[in-house]
Amino acid sequence: NAGVTQTPKFRVLKTGQSMTLLCAQDMNHEYMYWYRQDPGMGLRLIHYSVGEGTTAKGEVPDGYNVSRLKKQNFLLGLESAAPSQTSVYFCASSRGRDYEQYFGPGTRLTVT
Amino acid sequence: GDSVTQMEGPVTLSEEAFLTINCTYTATGYPSLFWYVQYPGEGLQLLLKATKADDKGSNKGFEATYRKETTSFHLEKGSVQVSDSAVYFCALRSTDYKLSFGAGTTVTVRA
Repeated sequence: NAGVTQTPKFRVLKTGQSMTLLCAQDMNHEYMYWYRQDPGMGLRLIHYSVGEGTTAKGEVPDGYNVSRLKKQNFLLGLESAAPSQTSVYFCASSRGRDYEQYFGPGTRLTVT
Repeated sequence: GDSVTQMEGPVTLSEEAFLTINCTYTATGYPSLFWYVQYPGEGLQLLLKATKADDKGSNKGFEATYRKETTSFHLEKGSVQVSDSAVYFCALRSTDYKLSFGAGTTVTVRA
């Protein structure tokens, strides 16, 4: 039981490049979330999903897209990376909206 | 909107010292309150929680009491260990079930 895993762990992009971050969970959770963590600001919700095939915007969705084609996977895409997207990205999953969220180890992204 | 404010760090302590991290919140309704811990190189883990006023959450020697009158949820531990070195986040879950996090407090415990 691996819990929540994220791929890759580190990535450096040039401005304008695109990439996809993969989150996978093996707990059969319905809900999945993407957060970004910036110094002095805590975690902020980017997008979330309440089930396979669904997505919804969080607090800071601009510049990101997501997809949940399979229940166990939640992908976060950056179509045209900007330096303001330099951050640590965390994925999380939960059984439902009022259950504990389990977090992955994070992806550190630097955009130059 | 709902928000959480926690004391800024970093905090550096000696082993067996007493730790307090202050957390206050602003929310409509009656949120649930949480403390998460992030060890170096890892994701966040739930440390403890409280779902209503006067509830006390506790785990691994840490405690926090939900104080509605002061809108606070301060984290305390009576005797810290080197292994408690981590970043601690206070969070609340609003009535719309979304989590709002504080900025995090980095705690370093020296032997």
